[in-house]
Amino acid sequence: RKEVEQDPGPFNVPEGATVAFNCTYSNSASQSFFWYRQDCRKEPKLLMSVYSSGNEDGRFTAQLNRASQYISLLIRDSKLSDSATYLCVVNGAGTASKLTFGTGTRLQVTL
Amino acid sequence: GAGVSQSPSNKVTEKGKDVELRCDPISGHTALYWYRQSLGQGLEFLIYFQGNSAPDKSGLPSDRFSAERTGGSVSTLTIQRTQQEDSAVYLCASSLERGETQYFGPGTRLLVL
Repeated sequence: RKEVEQDPGPFNVPEGATVAFNCTYSNSASQSFFWYRQDCRKEPKLLMSVYSSGNEDGRFTAQLNRASQYISLLIRDSKLSDSATYLCVVNGAGTASKLTFGTGTRLQVTL
Repeated sequence: GAGVSQSPSNKVTEKGKDVELRCDPISGHTALYWYRQSLGQGLEFLIYFQGNSAPDKSGLPSDRFSAERTGGSVSTLTIQRTQQEDSAVYLCASSLERGETQYFGPGTRLLVL
């Protein structure tokens, strides 16, 4: 089983739609979770951290389910500019600070 | 403030040549990481430096790959006797402390002919 698994997509959604991505992780001892965004031919950039209580930043909501070992990202009112690859990132607790990146979920928002 | 910088931004080399890639992390960041990303693929962890501790080299794909970090700041990734399958974007990231948010440089696009 991969340490971090994501559906590669692509998810093709119309502008204004709500879309959700899930990501599962294998290490139950993981402590830190993040969503990164990567635009085509660009470096990954932090979108948001994921806290146990869940967190929201504008149109973006991230949630953590420790029991089922998955994190989710919800994007409301999708914009064309949201088109990108979304990377799920999990701390490998046993290997101190080594973050493991998922292969990403590609989102394409269309008119 | 200044982010992570990498040089060169692009490198074309011939099979069998050695290449050196450089990373300047954000000032004050103690952790530095190297990743590789092939076209359309996810990030592949290569090596991690944390302060003065021994680096975690568990991701290096072969003994042709090595990296060092001098003075706890700048890092160089060296690939000896390059092969065509080494062609990829090599990304460097730094973070303030272990497990903290990583900030990425723009990457070096390596093409081995």
